[in-house]
Amino acid sequence: GESVGLHLPTLSVQEGDNSIINCAYSNSASDYFIWYKQESGKGPQFIIDIRSNMDKRQGQRVTVLLNKTVKHLSLQIAATQPGDSAVYFCAEYFTGGGNKLTFGTGTQLKVEL
Amino acid sequence: EPEVTQTPSHQVTQMGQEVILRCVPISNHLYFYWYRQILGQKVEFLVSFYNNEISEKSEIFDDQFSVERPDGSNFTLKIRSTKLEDSAMYFCASRARDASYEQYFGPGTRLTVT
Repeated sequence: GESVGLHLPTLSVQEGDNSIINCAYSNSASDYFIWYKQESGKGPQFIIDIRSNMDKRQGQRVTVLLNKTVKHLSLQIAATQPGDSAVYFCAEYFTGGGNKLTFGTGTQLKVEL
Repeated sequence: EPEVTQTPSHQVTQMGQEVILRCVPISNHLYFYWYRQILGQKVEFLVSFYNNEISEKSEIFDDQFSVERPDGSNFTLKIRSTKLEDSAMYFCASRARDASYEQYFGPGTRLTVT
């Protein structure tokens, strides 16, 4: 079936460095992608989204890049801080596939001081 | 800032018992969802609810599961006869309208079936 998956289960970075978290998706018809951050014991928290007709979107310290040719999504976090330590999930939404979000498996980001 | 709330935060139950997980979505939202997350795994869709009926459900959402919006604020998930494999975090989410895809998640209920 169609799925969204992440390349790396764990990413360790030094405080102040930039982080890049990757995601591969398989449904080329997906319309919309979201990155969620999940801290321990909490629900997923929206970080940034991007529509399928865009290649790049920037937020505060975060940038999402979408490469539809290779069905790849990435989240870039600038100047990573200890508070960024969490599990990051990409999720895709396909309007022709109902109302649900399909989540990837998650990447654990660890920020080292 | 409005948020989705869920109760209880942790529910322990014996196998075969019924549980009801409760959620209060954001007040002006129209679409409601339940997801679950088994420890260490990804978040999985269970069911979506709109206009007082189920709009979509996954294969996980079998006859043992049901959802209800008993009043204008609460949204519940019932598991009639819990199994060990139902142990997971259950997240409620809500969405405002068709033009917005963003789903807001609650803090979750940890269900432990013994």
